Amino acid sequence: ELKVEQNPLFLSMQEGKNYTIYCNYSTTSDRLYWYRQDPGKSLESLFVLLSNGAVKQEGRLMASLDTKARLSTLHITAAVHDLSATYFCAVDRNSNYQLIWGAGTKLIIKP
Amino acid sequence: DAGVTQSPTHLIKTRGQQVTLRCSPKSGHDTVSWYQQALGQGPQFIFQYYEEEERQRGNFPDRFSGHQFPNYSSELNVNALLLGDSALYLCASSLLRGRKAYEQYFGPGTRLTVT
Repeated sequence: ELKVEQNPLFLSMQEGKNYTIYCNYSTTSDRLYWYRQDPGKSLESLFVLLSNGAVKQEGRLMASLDTKARLSTLHITAAVHDLSATYFCAVDRNSNYQLIWGAGTKLIIKP
Repeated sequence: DAGVTQSPTHLIKTRGQQVTLRCSPKSGHDTVSWYQQALGQGPQFIFQYYEEEERQRGNFPDRFSGHQFPNYSSELNVNALLLGDSALYLCASSLLRGRKAYEQYFGPGTRLTVT
């Protein structure tokens, strides 16, 4: 059974600092997704990582994938308050959109 | 492009009742997946529809059923509602094959409260 673990589950940080969210998964998988969710809202697609060594960046967020280690990271650079949200990673084992999700990382960035 | 749309936005039902939720996928997408997200948790995959058939199913009871129409829109039906069915129900739209066959976009969700 595929399991996806995120850590930390909660992160409070100051603006301007850097931090990394980790996503570990238990079996070989084809695709890894990162989503953002604001309170009471739906899921916003951030990144889709399709191959080993894939790295994608958008603004202050950068995601990477190491399929051999079964690990993805979401790195936040010089955090700003607007990045406060819950971040989810999700794994698509067989490229069929049946995503298995982590529990989410609630990120609070203090001014 | 309106993106993925869902209706209704909010719904309150009583235990034992039945509910139908609706989803229209993003233009050009042919696959609809449904997820249940309980408060404070990650989404759980319910099922997926493609070419008007249920293609995959997660670990949900038969009380949860669905349908896909020729225009790719979809419905999620839940019978004999339980208090534990209270959640945010999310519809996700994607393209099963082709160059963009990895993108998945979510609708705004339907918040279901069972009392």
